[in-house]
Amino acid sequence: NAGVTQTPKFQVLKTGQSMTLQCAQDMNHEYMSWYRQDPGMGLRLIHYSVGAGITDQGEVPNGYNVSRSTTEDFPLRLLSAAPSQTSVYFCASSYQRERGSHEQYFGPGTRLTVT
Amino acid sequence: GDSVTQMEGPVTLSEEAFLTINCTYTATGYPSLFWYVQYPGEGLQLLLKATKADDKGSNKGFEATYRKETTSFHLEKGSVQVSDSAVYFCALSATSGGYQKVTFGIGTKLQVIP
Repeated sequence: NAGVTQTPKFQVLKTGQSMTLQCAQDMNHEYMSWYRQDPGMGLRLIHYSVGAGITDQGEVPNGYNVSRSTTEDFPLRLLSAAPSQTSVYFCASSYQRERGSHEQYFGPGTRLTVT
Repeated sequence: GDSVTQMEGPVTLSEEAFLTINCTYTATGYPSLFWYVQYPGEGLQLLLKATKADDKGSNKGFEATYRKETTSFHLEKGSVQVSDSAVYFCALSATSGGYQKVTFGIGTKLQVIP
């Protein structure tokens, strides 16, 4: 099992450019999520999905799009990059095992800089 | 809404010192509670968990007990090592609108010096 994989590891964008951060998991997890991590802010949820074809907004969805066409993949699209989107992005997946146990498995992260 | 409160740190300890990182939460119902650890340059990984009141989670010498009466889940370790230097996140998982929702604290940075 590769677990949760993310590509690329690092990316530099110019303001206004668009790009897609890739995330894949091979654990057949229903739930997948995207977070951003900023100093002093902890982890903030951007978008999440509870299964193929079902996505919803998290805490900070503006400027990002997601889709979930397969169980395995959950790409995050930046529509028009802004310096405020400079951050480290983590993808996570999870399944529900026993009551309320929703432990998450995280990818290694993508460090994005927008200039 | 649900929330998790923990101090940001950094917490600086000498090797072999006792560690406590406080975590308190606000949630409706009966959440599950977690501690995750993030080593430099890596993603988060589960350290321990507890799914009901009075449960104790433990792993790698770390422990935390789910205290419903004080809504707390403090992380402890009796003797820290330099290799424990990392950021520690407290989190809860609760059902919201039929789906499980996870809420993280802001993370506490631990530095252990030799």
